[in-house]
Amino acid sequence: QKEVEQNSGPLSVPEGAIASLNCTYSDRGSQSFFWYRQYSGKSPELIMFIYSNGDKEDGRFTAQLNKASQYVSLLIRDSQPSDSATYLCAVMESSASKIIFGSGTRLSIRP
Amino acid sequence: SAVISQKPSRDICQRGTSLTIQCQVDSQVTMMFWYRQQPGQSLTLIATANQGSEATYESGFVIDKFPISRPNLTFSTLTVSNMSPEDSSIYLCSVEETRKGVYEQYFGPGTRLTVT
Repeated sequence: QKEVEQNSGPLSVPEGAIASLNCTYSDRGSQSFFWYRQYSGKSPELIMFIYSNGDKEDGRFTAQLNKASQYVSLLIRDSQPSDSATYLCAVMESSASKIIFGSGTRLSIRP
Repeated sequence: SAVISQKPSRDICQRGTSLTIQCQVDSQVTMMFWYRQQPGQSLTLIATANQGSEATYESGFVIDKFPISRPNLTFSTLTVSNMSPEDSSIYLCSVEETRKGVYEQYFGPGTRLTVT
């Protein structure tokens, strides 16, 4: 059973600080990794994807990938109250064109 | 990215009845996916729907309970049959897009189903 694991939180971060969200996965052959943001009552929204080891930056978001450790993370700089949401880590299976989602980390940015 | 719409956005149904959820995309897509998200839970893939072939169901989901149609490259339906309260969930349609070698998957707004 291929798995994607996240800490469910809630993770509480003061406004302006860096929020760090972590994810591990079991499928060593996976090549594609995604972060989705889901506001309460809304559908998931793709915010980042990463394919290569290292960091990928997009505005205030940085995705980090370490395939050797099977570890993906998302950093949110200068956290804003509007960043409060559940963040879902997702991994594409190596053997099929389908994505497995983690259970999500609930992030709360406190003013 | 593709714009995805779903109908209905929400419904309250009686146990034993069936509901068909429609998913419409504004562009042609090869693969469409149906997910379920139960309250407080993450997303669970129900099935993958390819045009012109039968849907591929994940473990724990069967065609008799969740029949799927995919008549063309912009449309799909998911039927939740013989519903029970355990089927109360959000049902999400999703499509994949691959542009310049980059794979992305997007979600529709979801259908919130309550079974009484």
